[in-house]
Order: sequence, then structure tokens, then C-alpha cells
Amino acid sequence: GESVGLHLPTLSVQEGDNSIINCAYSNSASDYFIWYKQESGKGPQFIIDIRSNMDKRQGQRVTVLLNKTVKHLSLQIAATQPGDSAVYFCAENTWLWGKLIFGQGTELSVKP
Amino acid sequence: EAQVTQNPRYLITVTGKKLTVTCSQNMNHEYMSWYRQDPGLGLRQIYYSMNVEVTDKGDVPEGYKVSRKEKRNFPLILESPSPNQTSLYFCASSLSDSLYEQYFGPGTRLTVT
Repeated sequence: GESVGLHLPTLSVQEGDNSIINCAYSNSASDYFIWYKQESGKGPQFIIDIRSNMDKRQGQRVTVLLNKTVKHLSLQIAATQPGDSAVYFCAENTWLWGKLIFGQGTELSVKP
Repeated sequence: EAQVTQNPRYLITVTGKKLTVTCSQNMNHEYMSWYRQDPGLGLRQIYYSMNVEVTDKGDVPEGYKVSRKEKRNFPLILESPSPNQTSLYFCASSLSDSLYEQYFGPGTRLTVT
């Protein structure tokens, strides 16, 4: 069968640098935006979420920025470490509480 | 240990043979959800459940059934599997007051021939 879109966007950074992963979302009515991390061979892990009434939220070494004007979300990772190498997904909830739409993911590769 | 478990982890089956993938969590979470993950398509939500006896369709519910008779379990049923249901399946759970802080299971790799 035909393979479609197997290649994820990739970001390669040097250990210790900051990483910025971007995501465009589709629904201006979405209320929550979430970032998940998926390491190879594992299920996704929650990183951080942000509600639509905020434009910035910080966690441990991570910051999420939300720009509702252009429907853009970003995840900033400070002092990127080899353990940060993974695929990062953004997700948005729709108008239905509990229903999630995921983005395609970005693969982050950290060079030692 | 707090966890979400899925069984089986790997399954190869034939078209039309009914199967169930089990999902269980030991964290007393209200919310549970099933996702499938396909190359290039990311994660897509199949069904979710806000609590016992409450289930709702996600983005790709066709060909799947779920039930939530107990809080800890949320099985995914494929009544008549087809090759386009070949995928990696994840179950997840969370508390209702932190709905998106989901804990995911290890995944079930399903192949339908």
C-alpha cells in the first residue's frame, strides 16, 4: 500500500540549548491546549496545559505560549537534555469537554 | 504502582474475528479514553468516557465499541476487524478535575490481515 506522510517535522538541537516546538491549531473555540511527549516505544506523557484565557504558562524547564490571534501554540524547553529527545504533540480540546484533537507531532533530537 | 495497563500488547488477527482490547487503571480516575496512532496521522481519539456508564464518540469511532461498567475498566471492542484498523492503540485515564493530565498505557499493536 501507499505510505502517506510518514515523516514528522524534526528539530535538532545541541544539548544545553533552548528548544522551541511550534504548533498551529484549528479551532478558535478550543478552550484547552496541551503538550504531550512520546518517547520511542512508549505511550505519550503529559507535559503541560494552558487554558485559552492565558497566554503563557510555565512548568519545570518548560514554557507554553499561546497566541490566539494567529492560532499558534509553542513549547519552549530550557537547557535541552538528551532525555528530552522524543516526539512532541500538541492537542486541543474542542467544544466538547473531554474530546481531544492532536497535531501530527514534532520529533526533537538532542545532540550531545 | 499507579498505572494504566492494556492487554494484549501485541495481537495479529484476521478480518472479521471479534476481539477485545482491555484497559484498566488503578488510580480511581473518572475519565478514560482510547486513541489510535498511525504514521503521518498522529493520535486520533476513538471513544472517551467521563465516568461510569457515560461514553462519547471521539474523532474516529466507526468500527469500534466501548463500555464503561466499572470505573477502572474501559475495554475496546472490534466486532468485525478490518485491515484499516491495523494500528497502535493507546488507552489513557485522568481525574475529571485535571482532564488533560492523562496517563497513557503502554500501547497495543494490532495487525488485522
